[in-house]
Amino acid sequence: EADIYQTPRYLVIGTGKKITLECSQTMGHDKMYWYQQDPGMELHLIHYSYGVNSTEKGDLSSESTVSRIRTEHFPLTLESARPSHTSQYLCASSDPSGGESEQFFGPGTRLTVL
Amino acid sequence: LAKTTQPISMDSYEGQEVNITCSHNNIATNDYITWYQQFPSQGPRFIIQGYKTKVTNEVASLFIPADRKSSTLSLPRVSLSDTAVYYCLVGGPNNNAGNMLTFGGGTRLMVKP
Repeated sequence: EADIYQTPRYLVIGTGKKITLECSQTMGHDKMYWYQQDPGMELHLIHYSYGVNSTEKGDLSSESTVSRIRTEHFPLTLESARPSHTSQYLCASSDPSGGESEQFFGPGTRLTVL
Repeated sequence: LAKTTQPISMDSYEGQEVNITCSHNNIATNDYITWYQQFPSQGPRFIIQGYKTKVTNEVASLFIPADRKSSTLSLPRVSLSDTAVYYCLVGGPNNNAGNMLTFGGGTRLMVKP
């Protein structure tokens, strides 16, 4: 079944640790996105990719980095986690025919940095 | 990028029709209007998209006047499970790197029994 997956769903980690949030989609979408959302607040785009080897920063500055080595995989990495990184991270991909307007979201990763 | 304005929150009761209006005065000629629904602790879910006039699917209807400067999402006979945040977005199908969609604050719909 075509879908978009994120792992882990929940992560509690100590300050200074390196973490990678995984995102994979089986829909063959070229465009993928990472959003950050604090509870009850709006979504902020932090990274996006138009395809393999393409990565761009979004409208919200983030200390995280991303890579796009394979079409279906768009991991996000924090080299040294801090409490200010505590948030929900949502991955999305978009249908080429619909453009950015039709984005399919994963279930999200809720990150807590102690 | 067209900015959207929508009410922060709305309350309704089960069985009622809910209409959420979004203003987008600076919408561009090639922009589409898209609505998403988000439940707590989940990612947003695409509901409906339109360009002009009226679009209807199994979940909702979208009304867009001729000037396209606003749009109204209509949810027929809401239930408690429709309690969520609803986002209105505008954007073209071929946005370039400097014109990404912005979700904004959305409208928090609370459906009461």
